[in-house]
Amino acid sequence: GQQVMQIPQYQHVQEGEDFTTYCNSSTTLSNIQWYKQRPGGHPVFLIQLVKSGEVKKQKRLTFQFGEAKKNSSLHITATQTTDVGTYFCAGDDTGNQFYFGTGTSLTVIP
Amino acid sequence: DGGITQSPKYLFRKEGQNVTLSCEQNLNHDAMYWYRQDPGQGLRLIYYSQIVNDFQKGDIAEGYSVSREKKESFPLTVTSAQKNPTAFYLCASSIQGHTGELFFGEGSRLTVL
Repeated sequence: GQQVMQIPQYQHVQEGEDFTTYCNSSTTLSNIQWYKQRPGGHPVFLIQLVKSGEVKKQKRLTFQFGEAKKNSSLHITATQTTDVGTYFCAGDDTGNQFYFGTGTSLTVIP
Repeated sequence: DGGITQSPKYLFRKEGQNVTLSCEQNLNHDAMYWYRQDPGQGLRLIYYSQIVNDFQKGDIAEGYSVSREKKESFPLTVTSAQKNPTAFYLCASSIQGHTGELFFGEGSRLTVL
């Protein structure tokens, strides 16, 4: 079955430092989504990438979809305490479901 | 306000008891999903439904059952056959099945004593 791996599992950064999480799929994806889950909360949709090599930005967040559509990354520039949470990728292989990565838990130290 | 409502938020049950978790949405979405989240793991799909009166098993359907009699409602029953039911359960919906953004409820935390 399809697997979506995400690294690192945990990341601690000083406020103001950058942060990146990586997502890798065992199969080619038709699209990939990113979600953020605050501690004690539920996942909230951030973005969807569809095209090979696509790059999208949301303020300090940059999302990339690999050329082969098997990997993706989320980069946060100059982290803030409001960025704390777990970031999940979710890949769709044109089946009937999204496969979620294991998530990267981000801690920002003030 | 439109959204997804899950209840109860916290639930304690004894081993061997069936439990039903409620999920209601007023977003007029066709597709609904149930995920299970365990510490340090991603979300794993239990069941999904793309249309009323139809649903499919996800990766971890054993020990669970669902129904989809109405578009707005997709309840999940955790049966006594589920070997390790203590977990955080998340219900979600989307407009376009597996291609659309997932909207999640606030979750139900089930603890089996």
